[in-house]
Amino acid sequence: DADVTQTPRNRITKTGKRIMLECSQTKGHDRMYWYRQDPGLGLRLIYYSFDVKDINKGEISDGYSVSRQAQAKFSLSLESAIPNQTALYFCATSDFGQTGELFFGEGSRLTVL
Amino acid sequence: ILNVEQSPQSLHVQEGDSTNFTCSFPSSNFYALHWYRWETAKSPEALFVMTLNGDEKKKGRISATLNTKEGYSYLYIKGSQPEDSATYLCAFIQRPGTGANNLFFGTGTRLTVIP
Repeated sequence: DADVTQTPRNRITKTGKRIMLECSQTKGHDRMYWYRQDPGLGLRLIYYSFDVKDINKGEISDGYSVSRQAQAKFSLSLESAIPNQTALYFCATSDFGQTGELFFGEGSRLTVL
Repeated sequence: ILNVEQSPQSLHVQEGDSTNFTCSFPSSNFYALHWYRWETAKSPEALFVMTLNGDEKKKGRISATLNTKEGYSYLYIKGSQPEDSATYLCAFIQRPGTGANNLFFGTGTRLTVIP
């Protein structure tokens, strides 16, 4: 089983619908992140959380919200999806320790029609 | 938001060729640099974590160097193989301080190795 698990892996929805992407991890890391990937734009940070009580906006947080339900769970919501939110979404975790490398989930491909 | 640049954006090489690409980052407040390998339909995986000026890391045919004073890192692939085809991402990590996010990705170099 993957250390960082995202659900759903693929989702097609319509404009205006509420969508939730879920992420859970078994690595015991405090830090969790949601990134969005669009062709040619690399990985852009949506929200991040350094511990259960900490939620921070990233560079493209408009139209998104998050919830850190537990150390192991970090969910991303699109309250009213729009077509330009069609993208590949990645959850990631890291340890604040020495290296801080990110461990990524498998990605969730979202299409908003 | 910090500017982390990678070049070239993409390249095609023949199997057996050696290649290299660059990650440029701010030379101030350096803490670490990460290289990730991202294969199509998979998630990015860390290749190297580099922290010291002059660091050289190696994993098989892939190696990386780091120059924090001038703000660049090179990734080298010796004798490229088709399985090396992937996007290679670098991430600059700024010295931790205020609790804000301190990790910034480049846009990646997409490598295609032609058999």
